[in-house]
Amino acid sequence: AQSVTQLDSQVPVFEEAPVELRCNYSSSVSVYLFWYVQYPNQGLQLLLKYLSGSTLVKGINGFEAEFNKSQTSFHLRKPSVHISDTAEYFCAVTSGGSYIPTFGRGTSLIVHP
Amino acid sequence: EAGVTQSPTHLIKTRGQQATLRCSPISGHTSVYWYQQALGLGLQFLLWYDEGEERNRGNFPPRFSGRQFPNYSSELNVNALELEDSALYLCASSPPGTSGRGDTQYFGPGTRLTVL
Repeated sequence: AQSVTQLDSQVPVFEEAPVELRCNYSSSVSVYLFWYVQYPNQGLQLLLKYLSGSTLVKGINGFEAEFNKSQTSFHLRKPSVHISDTAEYFCAVTSGGSYIPTFGRGTSLIVHP
Repeated sequence: EAGVTQSPTHLIKTRGQQATLRCSPISGHTSVYWYQQALGLGLQFLLWYDEGEERNRGNFPPRFSGRQFPNYSSELNVNALELEDSALYLCASSPPGTSGRGDTQYFGPGTRLTVL
């Protein structure tokens, strides 16, 4: 079975500071990993995904994530955040024979001026 | 290109009633997924339709059902509404013939269902 843990429910940060949103997954087989963002009153939008190859994945809006198989992690980072990055961020995993991603509970990123 | 659309935006029902939610996928997409997003619980998978067939179902009671039409649009029905069914219901679509487990899902803005 696959599962995802987002360790922080809320991350407050000041504008232009770096940020890391943590995600750990559990699966006994190979995985595909995703980060989605949900802005207020909108659906989810893909930020980036890891399928194979380079463990450092670059996404939209300056975000990147690193797949670490030994630590079963896929943390999301941005070197300098903007007010407009304030949103809910979801990590998701698919693995084994499942075509359905399992989502974490989300991390609310709050960027203060 | 138009994105995934959902209707209505908001829906208010009373306990015991039935709710019908609708979703139109991106043109050319054949798979439709339904999720429930209740406060603090993240996204819970409800149903997956592909080419008109139900392919998978999440851990929800049978009063949650749906269908996919020949034009690939989809409908979610919730019977005998309970207070805990209050949530944002999200629909997502994905194109045919892609990598399967690695598919990106494209989400609509959701329908906010409130059960009083």
